[in-house]
Amino acid sequence: DGGITQSPKYLFRKEGQNVTLSCEQNLNHDAMYWYRQDPGQGLRLIYYSQIVNDFQKGDIAEGYSVSREKKESFPLTVTSAQKNPTAFYLCASFNPGSPYNEQFFGPGTRLTVL
Amino acid sequence: AQSVTQLDSQVPVFEEAPVELRCNYSSSVSVYLFWYVQYPNQGLQLLLKYLSGSTLVKGINGFEAEFNKSQTSFHLRKPSVHISDTAEYFCAVSEVYKGAQKLVFGQGTRLTINP
Repeated sequence: DGGITQSPKYLFRKEGQNVTLSCEQNLNHDAMYWYRQDPGQGLRLIYYSQIVNDFQKGDIAEGYSVSREKKESFPLTVTSAQKNPTAFYLCASFNPGSPYNEQFFGPGTRLTVL
Repeated sequence: AQSVTQLDSQVPVFEEAPVELRCNYSSSVSVYLFWYVQYPNQGLQLLLKYLSGSTLVKGINGFEAEFNKSQTSFHLRKPSVHISDTAEYFCAVSEVYKGAQKLVFGQGTRLTINP
């Protein structure tokens, strides 16, 4: 089955610690995205990548970092500089060559800072 | 920059009643519009999308939406809801920036179906 996997589903961290969220896709999509979801605010774009070894800041990139060393993988690191990291994080992928113009989403990771 | 406004943060409806979830967007160029559904603690699933052509778009689970360019709206409707439709619904508009497709989301509408 093709799709996007995110791990772990739930993640707890102490203040001051960095944590990395995993996102893997086997859809052969070039583009990948990270969104943050907070209650009542919809989804906000953190980072996106159109191709391997290239990525761009989204609307709320401060306190986050990413890498794109492989087409299938786009991990997100939440650093200690992120002031309010508790949120639901969603990864998505997209095929620019597809006429369907649809982003596919993973199941999400809920991060809680203790 | 484009923006999306979902006019209702919560919509309570009785089972088998009709429902409309409202979405307005701001854009001066051609748009692609989407409705996604999110069940608790899950990712987003595409309900339907408007890319071009007929302004009435049919999606999964009996939902449909109408693209109205003059009113810049893309309201989602279902003639008879079921308990299983309880979820959060997001309207989104697609914009292309430096060759990359980006989605701009509304704040979401929580649909609650009461028996």
